[in-house]
Amino acid sequence: QQQVKQSPQSLIVQKGGISIINCAYENTAFDYFPWYQQFPGKGPALLIAIRPDVSEKKEGRFTISFNKSAKQFSLHIMDSQPGDSATYFCAAPRDSNYQLIWGAGTKLIIKP
Amino acid sequence: NAGVTQTPKFQVLKTGQSMTLQCAQDMNHNSMYWYRQDPGMGLRLIYYSASEGTTDKGEVPNGYNVSRLNKREFSLRLESAAPSQTSVYFCASSRTGTSNEQFFGPGTRLTVL
Repeated sequence: QQQVKQSPQSLIVQKGGISIINCAYENTAFDYFPWYQQFPGKGPALLIAIRPDVSEKKEGRFTISFNKSAKQFSLHIMDSQPGDSATYFCAAPRDSNYQLIWGAGTKLIIKP
Repeated sequence: NAGVTQTPKFQVLKTGQSMTLQCAQDMNHNSMYWYRQDPGMGLRLIYYSASEGTTDKGEVPNGYNVSRLNKREFSLRLESAAPSQTSVYFCASSRTGTSNEQFFGPGTRLTVL
């Protein structure tokens, strides 16, 4: 069964530091890799996504890096802030166009 | 513009009881999804509807049924609830397909005793 392996499970970073979360995927039908952010008691919300005609996408303090040969992609949060404390999920498309396979999530805590 | 709404927010059932979770979106999206979220397991797709009039099984469909009532509404039914169905349930919608952003509702926290 297709899987997306996400690590670490939890992460504590000092304010101003860099947070890095990694995901590894198996074969997918097409290339689209989103990251979602979830705050307690809320539904996930799209943070940033990459369609890998490029190896990196940056939006403000958030960057996705993509390594197609290694089948890995990662989320970097620069200058991490306490408001970034949340659970982050990566996802990858399954064989059909309508299903995403989700990583297990990373609980990120930014210490002031 | 409410986005994706879900009712109820919380529910407690006894084993064997049935219930329907309601979901509606006002973004004119074609595709809708039902997920369950369990600690340490991320989101798992139960059923999805690629477009009005169609529904398909996801990763964990057993014990559930769905109805795409119209373009706006997509309901999830538990016919005979089991403790293993204790979870947080999220409905989501997207313009079409997974390569478009999925918008999530606030979730329903279900406990089956």
